[in-house]
Amino acid sequence: KAGVTQTPRYLIKTRGQQVTLSCSPISGHRSVSWYQQTPGQGLQFLFEYFSETQRNKGNFPGRFSGRQFSNSRSEMNVSTLELGDSALYLCASSLASGGDAFFGQGTRLTVV
Amino acid sequence: AQKVTQAQTEISVVEKEDVTLDCVYETRDTTYYLFWYKQPPSGELVFLIRRNSFDEQNEISGRYSWNFQKSTSSFNFTITASQVVDSAVYFCALSPPNAGNMLTFGGGTRLMVKP
Repeated sequence: KAGVTQTPRYLIKTRGQQVTLSCSPISGHRSVSWYQQTPGQGLQFLFEYFSETQRNKGNFPGRFSGRQFSNSRSEMNVSTLELGDSALYLCASSLASGGDAFFGQGTRLTVV
Repeated sequence: AQKVTQAQTEISVVEKEDVTLDCVYETRDTTYYLFWYKQPPSGELVFLIRRNSFDEQNEISGRYSWNFQKSTSSFNFTITASQVVDSAVYFCALSPPNAGNMLTFGGGTRLMVKP
């Protein structure tokens, strides 16, 4: 059974640009959550989608947005990139909202 | 507000030693879930355990064991007979009920197991 797949694995962007990250959950999983990991702030919750609806949102500015498609795949978008957005972005999927959450390998975003 | 504290930022042991990673949490919820994850250098968070606050029984899985004490708001993780492959960063996390997978993570404990 394939795990959670995140693409791309690495990304370098320039300040002011926007970026879209993709997450394919484990087959059958309907919940997808996104997290940002930085050395300074640690792991922080961004948002969760379940059946194409955003269920919960963390304390991040509106530049961070996401969506989920009917096949449960999810994308997150960051607009007007700032240097501080450089981080490892992790996606987790679970069968149901509140179940065992399995993470992908992450997308490492570097903003220069 | 929820908070998870992992006071040990780094632990170094010699192979075959037992090691306990501490986790203390704060929440106003009467029910909640607790988790442990392992993050090897590859970056992926590997799920280890999820525990419902109703269930205070300790759990053992091979060399891993978990001690949940609601009275002290702690959910400690012990690795018995540590191995070099156990070297990683370990995270404890907490999620409220009915809030999906909105996990609050501790700062992590880096475990180094030396041969």
